[in-house]
Amino acid sequence: QLHLQASGPGLVKPSATLSLTCTLSGGSIINSRYFWAWIRQSPDKGLEWIATVHHTGGTDYNPSLESRLITSVDTSKNQFSLSLTSVTATDTATYYCARLSKTQVADTGKGYAWIDLWGQGTLVTVS
Amino acid sequence: SSELTQDPSVSVALGQTVRITCQGATLENYYASWYQQKPGQAPLLVVFGENNRPSGIPDRFSGSSSGTTASLTITGAQAEDEADYYCGSRDNSVDWVFGGGTKVTVL
Repeated sequence: QLHLQASGPGLVKPSATLSLTCTLSGGSIINSRYFWAWIRQSPDKGLEWIATVHHTGGTDYNPSLESRLITSVDTSKNQFSLSLTSVTATDTATYYCARLSKTQVADTGKGYAWIDLWGQGTLVTVS
Repeated sequence: SSELTQDPSVSVALGQTVRITCQGATLENYYASWYQQKPGQAPLLVVFGENNRPSGIPDRFSGSSSGTTASLTITGAQAEDEADYYCGSRDNSVDWVFGGGTKVTVL
């Protein structure tokens, strides 16, 4: 059974770097059908997409966070990682790692993708 | 900017039908996917594409799309459907975007 598990410090000091690693078990991160994503949710707020990475090294970042983001993929460990620099209290959130499908195209010509596997989320507090 | 807009909350009587909408320009080019989130849990995919449900999702959940609006319909809402629902979609400028979420209360 596929499982994503995010790990990292639960408490980070302001101006420091937040670093998280996500490990996939039950399958391989090397799969051209999927991308791997980081998503966060501030307390009592909605979901915010942070970044998407591919095992080949391709990346997409949320423009509002791009200047502070560093991501990597370690296929030998079936892991992908996120670093967010210069954190402030506004970066306090539950961070999820997730699997994002490659975009498909329907008969209508419209594209579609989906996030069908989520980690349990890890709360990171900046204080 | 890339945005998906949802109504903050909606209520539905037990057994009745509720429609949750999601609006955004990107929905002209991409179908939305829909996620259910209960307190303390990770989001769960319930509908994606034109109207596809992952294995294990009840058929009372359905999706539709018209122009810049996507909809999730729960036909015969159950108590366990009370949750926050988020739409999400690919976007040409920011790769992925979520709506602000709709809290569904089952009365």
